[in-house]
Amino acid sequence: DIVMTQSPDSLAVSLGERATINCKSSQSILYSSTNKNYLAWYQQKPGQPPKLLIYWASTRESGVPDRFSGSGSGTDFTLTISSLQAEDVAVYYCQQYYTTLYSFGQGTKLEIK
Amino acid sequence: QVQLVQSGTEVRKPGSSVKVSCKASGGTFNSYTINWVRQTPEQGLEWMGRSVPIFERSFYAPKFQGRVTITADESTRTAYMELTGLRSDDTAIYYCAKGGAASGTWFDAWGQGTLVTVSS
Repeated sequence: DIVMTQSPDSLAVSLGERATINCKSSQSILYSSTNKNYLAWYQQKPGQPPKLLIYWASTRESGVPDRFSGSGSGTDFTLTISSLQAEDVAVYYCQQYYTTLYSFGQGTKLEIK
Repeated sequence: QVQLVQSGTEVRKPGSSVKVSCKASGGTFNSYTINWVRQTPEQGLEWMGRSVPIFERSFYAPKFQGRVTITADESTRTAYMELTGLRSDDTAIYYCAKGGAASGTWFDAWGQGTLVTVSS
């Protein structure tokens, strides 16, 4: 099974500043034949289901603001919010889909400092 | 744009079973998979399994194999997740989530969630 580990568990950032969330997989999720990283990022606000932000590690879902970006390859990935807005307060999760036993990170809670 | 609407809150006793429904609107029902993911404070988000309507097959996470049954009715565009042998640690919010037709996929639409409480 692939274990996804996020860091930090929680993060407080000032409005307008950059927020960075890390996700590490227990094995590479880069599929050599496609040269794609099988990683997605989600945002979950209280009382709501998760919302897809990014897939293929760096492709933004339609309608997601461009202040959200994803990067990384192999086993180490990053979600960056370039300029934090109040509506970005949420818990963020990474998910691997390299194996069909899909797994999620434990979540990172993002708050306003 | 696919939208998923789930059935309402359930309360069950230990040892019983629960069946949660997920009705899809929009899109072509057999062109995507319906996955079930549960969320608890202790375990976070856990993928339970998925139905692949076009193949009329379902696949399950080993942790839930033998206790969970996922089905899909194309005529009513509704997927179901039944969990048996309920225990207190099955208390969770259960989500259905749309995945692509390929075996490796992200989830681009989610139901609103169904709270299942297991308590004597």
